[in-house]
Amino acid sequence: GNSVTQMEGPVTLSEEAFLTINCTYTATGYPSLFWYVQYPGEGLQLLLKATKADDKGSNKGFEATYRKETTSFHLEKGSVQVSDSAVYFCALSDEKRDDKIIFGKGTRLHILP
Amino acid sequence: SAVISQKPSRDICQRGTSLTIQCQVDSQVTMMFWYRQQPGQSLTLIATANQGSEATYESGFVIDKFPISRPNLTFSTLTVSNMSPEDSSIYLCSVEATGGIYNEQFFGPGTRLTVL
Repeated sequence: GNSVTQMEGPVTLSEEAFLTINCTYTATGYPSLFWYVQYPGEGLQLLLKATKADDKGSNKGFEATYRKETTSFHLEKGSVQVSDSAVYFCALSDEKRDDKIIFGKGTRLHILP
Repeated sequence: SAVISQKPSRDICQRGTSLTIQCQVDSQVTMMFWYRQQPGQSLTLIATANQGSEATYESGFVIDKFPISRPNLTFSTLTVSNMSPEDSSIYLCSVEATGGIYNEQFFGPGTRLTVL
């Protein structure tokens, strides 16, 4: 079945450091891929998405490229800020599986000033 | 976008009791979803609730344990029945975005449930 695997946290970085959160997936069809973010005390928000191979999703300085050959969708940011501290969820939705969204376990990110 | 509120935001309950969680959306939506996020785990879909029809439950979840109501296009409730400590989780409702955004969902802030 479909699944999402993302790196375990917590990840702790200093402000202005480079961020990578790894995400790989398994899917039977051609999924759409998402990164959701959950700031403290808030609900999940869609951060970015990509719907087909080689698409790059971007938002708020974050980027992720849909790599079909490596079944990956790693999240990157060149210079993180304290306000980026949150839990990040990689997710997929597969139209061949009734479009249900499957989430990874989440990666908690702490940014130190 | 959609603004979603949930009540209560958190609760501590005794074993064997039931808790009803409310989800209110600021716009009319066709599909609403209920998820569970157990400690250290990913989000798991409990059921999909469409207005005017029975909720559709995912494997491992049953109506007797998690009855859902969907009386109109802006509101839904999830009841966690006959609770045990294993039901301690964050429960989230979400709605599907409209306007052609493929499978984007908006989430409420969640209800943190602790069962003693």
